[in-house]
Amino acid sequence: QLQLQESGPGLVKPSETLALTCSVSGASVSGDDWSWVRQPPGKGLEWIATIFMTGVTDYNPSLRSRVTLSVDASRGHFSLQLTSATAADTAVYFCARYYDRGLDSWGQGILVAVPP
Amino acid sequence: QSALTQPASVSGSPGQSIAISCTGTNSDIGAYNYVSWYQQHPGKVPKLVIFDVSSRPSGVSNRFSGSKSGNTASLTISGLQADDEADYYCSSYTIRRSWVFGGGTQLTVL
Repeated sequence: QLQLQESGPGLVKPSETLALTCSVSGASVSGDDWSWVRQPPGKGLEWIATIFMTGVTDYNPSLRSRVTLSVDASRGHFSLQLTSATAADTAVYFCARYYDRGLDSWGQGILVAVPP
Repeated sequence: QSALTQPASVSGSPGQSIAISCTGTNSDIGAYNYVSWYQQHPGKVPKLVIFDVSSRPSGVSNRFSGSKSGNTASLTISGLQADDEADYYCSSYTIRRSWVFGGGTQLTVL
């Protein structure tokens, strides 16, 4: 059974880099496609990016300049880096598997706060 | 990119059917048959209920169905049950090789 678990700091200082990792169990991280989605407190979902098993990455145009995704097959995880963090980046960050043009398995989410 | 447009809320009584609309543009919903829908209970993780406009993942009730006409997609829930009360989000692939979500619709089961 596929399980995803986000990890990383719960508090990031303004202008610093928000860095999260998603550990994958029950599947090969190099054999699937993976995404990040975020949800500000009390608000809706926002797609951040998807990294395909080919290594190609699609990004939200509004975040493209600040986002990097990577996969570490040896450690069984994939990662998100979001540079120049601001209070607007405060959200619950979810990692998910992208399969058949849908996000079919999700992590529990991790709240990351960036103070004003 | 602009979020897809969904009604803020819809409601229905147990046993009834409801539909949630999701309006986009020729650059997203109108461009591809790649619309998905997610159910999210309060404080919980989103769950995929529809992909590719009208396909259901394994394990999702056949009370959930999806459709699309032009730039508007719809999610229909028939035989409404108390556990269907949740937020629902549509999502579409776009010509910019990106995905965009709708603002979400809160479903209340009366």
